[in-house]
Amino acid sequence: KAGVTQTPRYLIKTRGQQVTLSCSPISGHRSVSWYQQTPGQGLQFLFEYFSETQRNKGNFPGRFSGRQFSNSRSEMNVSTLELGDSALYLCASSLEVAGRNEQFFGPGTRLTVL
Amino acid sequence: DAKTTQPNSMESNEEEPVHLPCNHSTISGTDYIHWYRQLPSQGPEYVIHGLTSNVNNRMASLAIAEDRKSSTLILHRATLRDAAVYYCILRESGAGSYQLTFGKGTKLSVIP
Repeated sequence: KAGVTQTPRYLIKTRGQQVTLSCSPISGHRSVSWYQQTPGQGLQFLFEYFSETQRNKGNFPGRFSGRQFSNSRSEMNVSTLELGDSALYLCASSLEVAGRNEQFFGPGTRLTVL
Repeated sequence: DAKTTQPNSMESNEEEPVHLPCNHSTISGTDYIHWYRQLPSQGPEYVIHGLTSNVNNRMASLAIAEDRKSSTLILHRATLRDAAVYYCILRESGAGSYQLTFGKGTKLSVIP
């Protein structure tokens, strides 16, 4: 079974631009979560989608948004990029009840904002 | 989510057992104890989870204190591949709690 895939793996943008990251969950997984990882803040939860609906959202500004499609693939968008948005963005999928089932993480997208 | 406390770092010799402690004194009755690890340059990886009883799987064992205020992840024979940051996370079982709240974790170094 293929794992969680994320594209692109690396991205360089400049301040003020916007970016879209993509995540394909493991086949059959309906829950997709997004996390941001930085050296200073560690791993922080962004949001979680289930059956195309956002079920939970972390404490991030509205510039960070996401969506999920009917095939469970998910995208996250960051608008008006800031230098502090440079981070590793991780996507994780799980079968359904993420509170008890394990989450499977992708390799991440490394975003650099110049 | 309730908080966990872990040592910042630990060292182990290769092929020796490793006991990684985690304190969670404010755990509630419905919180599950999850462990994830993150190898260098990779996304986190699920290791094990439990509620009250000790748990074993092919990767590790989880020993949970009787009062559930602490737990220990046990790697029976550390290998170089086990060098990673290990995160102990409490997960509520109720609806609406779908995120993982990561702390700083324990960085495990394995000495050949």
